[in-house]
Amino acid sequence: DVKVTQSSRYLVKRTGEKVFLECVQDMDHENMFWYRQDPGLGLRLIYFSYDVKMKEKGDIPEGYSVSREKKERFSLILESASTNQTSMYLCASSYYRSTSGISSGANVLTFGAGSRLTVL
Amino acid sequence: GENVEQHPSTLSVQEGDSAVIKCTYSDSASNYFPWYKQELGKRPQLIIDIRSNVGEKKDQRIAVTLNKTAKHFSLHITETQPEDSAVYFCAAFTGGFKTIFGAGTRLFVKA
Repeated sequence: DVKVTQSSRYLVKRTGEKVFLECVQDMDHENMFWYRQDPGLGLRLIYFSYDVKMKEKGDIPEGYSVSREKKERFSLILESASTNQTSMYLCASSYYRSTSGISSGANVLTFGAGSRLTVL
Repeated sequence: GENVEQHPSTLSVQEGDSAVIKCTYSDSASNYFPWYKQELGKRPQLIIDIRSNVGEKKDQRIAVTLNKTAKHFSLHITETQPEDSAVYFCAAFTGGFKTIFGAGTRLFVKA
């Protein structure tokens, strides 16, 4: 069974602490993503990576950074946690599922179980 | 910027009835439209998807329709069952690695 594993399900941190959220996938996927999930706002993309050491900003990158030193691992870093970063964080990986005759593929996401972060 | 609007935010139906969730996307270059289901306390999982060159797709009790001209797509669940209760997210993908999600619909199926 394919897996995206997030190292911590629940974390409680204090304002100003540095926070690391780790994500590992065993599917040899090229692409990895960090989303933030808040009620009524859906899933918002923080950062993504399409290759080792490559990273791109998503829609809400402020206050976050990422690291992708190995293909299977994608880390989300909160340099100085703030209370407005209290949220559920979802990691995902993807492959392109090509369709015959169509040049662009479908980005099928496999999600981790999530890391619920509370910043006090 | 790119945006996906999803309605309704909450939907309550009687077991056996049908449920319809509607989404609108803004980027006309979007070419792939997945739907994810998230049960309480679990991860979102892909349940069905549709590409821009297809108008409708069906998989047992669920179906998706796409109107490219109007930039609308919808999820239809027939003969709903209690295990269909979950949050459903629509999404749009334009090929640039980014999948944009709607805000989600919480579906309650009453037994």
